[in-house]
Amino acid sequence: SYVLTQPPSVSVAPGQTARITCGGNNIGSKSVHWYRQKPGQAPVLVVYDDSARPSGIPERFSGSNSGNTATLTISRVEAGDGADFYCQVWDSTSDRYVVFGGGTKLTVL
Amino acid sequence: QVQLQESGPGLVKPSETLSLTCTVSGGSISSFHWSWIRQPPGKGLEWIGLIYHSGYTDYNPSLKSRVTISFDTSKNQFSLKLSSVTAADTAVYYCARTVVAATPESVDFDYWGQGTLVTVSS
Repeated sequence: SYVLTQPPSVSVAPGQTARITCGGNNIGSKSVHWYRQKPGQAPVLVVYDDSARPSGIPERFSGSNSGNTATLTISRVEAGDGADFYCQVWDSTSDRYVVFGGGTKLTVL
Repeated sequence: QVQLQESGPGLVKPSETLSLTCTVSGGSISSFHWSWIRQPPGKGLEWIGLIYHSGYTDYNPSLKSRVTISFDTSKNQFSLKLSSVTAADTAVYYCARTVVAATPESVDFDYWGQGTLVTVSS
């Protein structure tokens, strides 16, 4: 089965840039999507198709995907950006199914 | 604006069947694809399955033998049934509108319900 690997935690000071990685075998050949989840809330799509932003998501959120790593970048981090972030892909190499990464807790120092 | 709302029992006994319904407002259920996703307390997200607007379904291989997702278009709802539940099925269950692309193959979730906690306990 396909596995997505995320760091459990990332810490960053306000105003700095946070980078959250998502590793997977040849993930660059897949479309990667990112979700933000604040405590007690449902996840929210923040980046889809590697680097596109849904309406209402600030330009500070961007994504890239190449080789074996996809990255979510949050520029000019604000205190309110603290949350759990999940990457997600669709895999159809054997079975057809959605795969989520294990999640990364972003802490704003 | 599309809104989704999960409903169903918050407590299910072991070995019984968990049944949830997702009611969709702000759009026709027949025009889109829909998924169920769950999250055990303190853990990450796990996809359960997807029903396409055609009625075709894809399920998580690890749950496939126990899962059924279906439509009730007259009520603009879709539902989840998970049989033979155990404590490991205790989770917040989310329904989500699902975007499906063909090239490259891709699935993502653009609208989510608020989630409903289902506890499996006797």
